[in-house]
Amino acid sequence: KNEVEQSPQNLTAQEGEFITINCSYSVGISALHWLQQHPGGGIVSLFMLSSGKKKHGRLIATINIQEKHSSLHITASHPRDSAVYICAVEKDSNYQLIWGAGTKLIIKP
Amino acid sequence: GAGVSQTPSNKVTEKGKYVELRCDPISGHTALYWYRQSLGQGPEFLIYFQGTGAADDSGLPNDRFFAVRPEGSVSTLKIQRTERGDSAVYLCASSFQGAGANVLTFGAGSRLTVL
Repeated sequence: KNEVEQSPQNLTAQEGEFITINCSYSVGISALHWLQQHPGGGIVSLFMLSSGKKKHGRLIATINIQEKHSSLHITASHPRDSAVYICAVEKDSNYQLIWGAGTKLIIKP
Repeated sequence: GAGVSQTPSNKVTEKGKYVELRCDPISGHTALYWYRQSLGQGPEFLIYFQGTGAADDSGLPNDRFFAVRPEGSVSTLKIQRTERGDSAVYLCASSFQGAGANVLTFGAGSRLTVL
């Protein structure tokens, strides 16, 4: 079993829909990162979380440390949000990054 | 510098040649990660440095791959006897290992093409 699991693997939605991407992990962590990669583009860090909730524009990230679960939400989704969204956790034992497999999001106009 | 700098941005080489890829992390960042990404796939972990030492090199695919970070800042990924399957974008990321959570910053990557 992978130490970081993301769901769904693929998600297609219509413009304007509320999007949720989930990440579950099985190791002790010091931080969790949500990252974005557009097709053919570099990786951009969206959020870094160790507790609670963070919001940036239409993006919201939450983490529940007890349940070892994080969610990334996109409100009022737009075609330009189409990208791969990756969850990565830093292990608290050695800060090694463990990556999820990514969620490919397509927002249709 | 202001960000993570990777050079070269593009490298085309012939099968069997030796290649070096350089990563210049953000000043003061003690953690440095190397990944590679093949077309259409997610990043694959290669190696992670904490300071000068390789804290985890379990992702290096074989002994043709080697990475160093002699002074705890710039890192060089070295690939010997390159093969066509080594073609990928090699990504470097760095973060500051302080108390609590750490911001991760990625470089733009070095695209390696082995002919």
